[in-house]
Amino acid sequence: SQQGEEDPQALSIQEGENATMNCSYKTSINNLQWYRQNSGRGLVHLILIRSNEREKHSGRLRVTLDTSKKSSSLLITASRAADTASYFCATDYVMGNDMRFGAGTRLTVKP
Amino acid sequence: EPEVTQTPSHQVTQMGQEVILRCVPISNHLYFYWYRQILGQKVEFLVSFYNNEISEKSEIFDDQFSVERPDGSNFTLKIRSTKLEDSAMYFCASSEGTGTYEQYFGPGTRLTVT
Repeated sequence: SQQGEEDPQALSIQEGENATMNCSYKTSINNLQWYRQNSGRGLVHLILIRSNEREKHSGRLRVTLDTSKKSSSLLITASRAADTASYFCATDYVMGNDMRFGAGTRLTVKP
Repeated sequence: EPEVTQTPSHQVTQMGQEVILRCVPISNHLYFYWYRQILGQKVEFLVSFYNNEISEKSEIFDDQFSVERPDGSNFTLKIRSTKLEDSAMYFCASSEGTGTYEQYFGPGTRLTVT
């Protein structure tokens, strides 16, 4: 399988805390993207990080990429109840024209 | 902000029937994709489409599936003879290019096969 794999599968935190989700993948990538999905709804693009980038920020989101370890992390700082959703990493492989998604991390932020 | 749209939002069909799911990608995008997500499972790639032909497809995308860009705006996914296991959310996506370009997803069509 060449999909990204996230961990943990589920994460429950209190509002205000930080949430960290990790993603690992198997082969060389062009980029790695993080998406959010609210229950039963569409995928919302959060951040794209290119293979030559190591860290990227967008508001309360921070994404890191370690190509030597083939892993990425998504950090959400100062979480809010509205951040409750599933978060997926998706990898765009060098040798393909598709994106592979992991199984996602289900984040619950308790008010 | 431009967005990918999909219709219908929910489609119910009987096993063996043909369904066509419709998508309108973002207008200046050149690459189009279909993904599906069975309830509670991960998002799976089905097919990518560029320059009026399939550029890549997964093992899920068998002879029962086909895609078409019938005009300058629509991108369709046809399932010829639906099976119960085709029940899923189907997402369309589009991008300006590949490699370092983001894929923008539509809201999805929930297909229920009874």
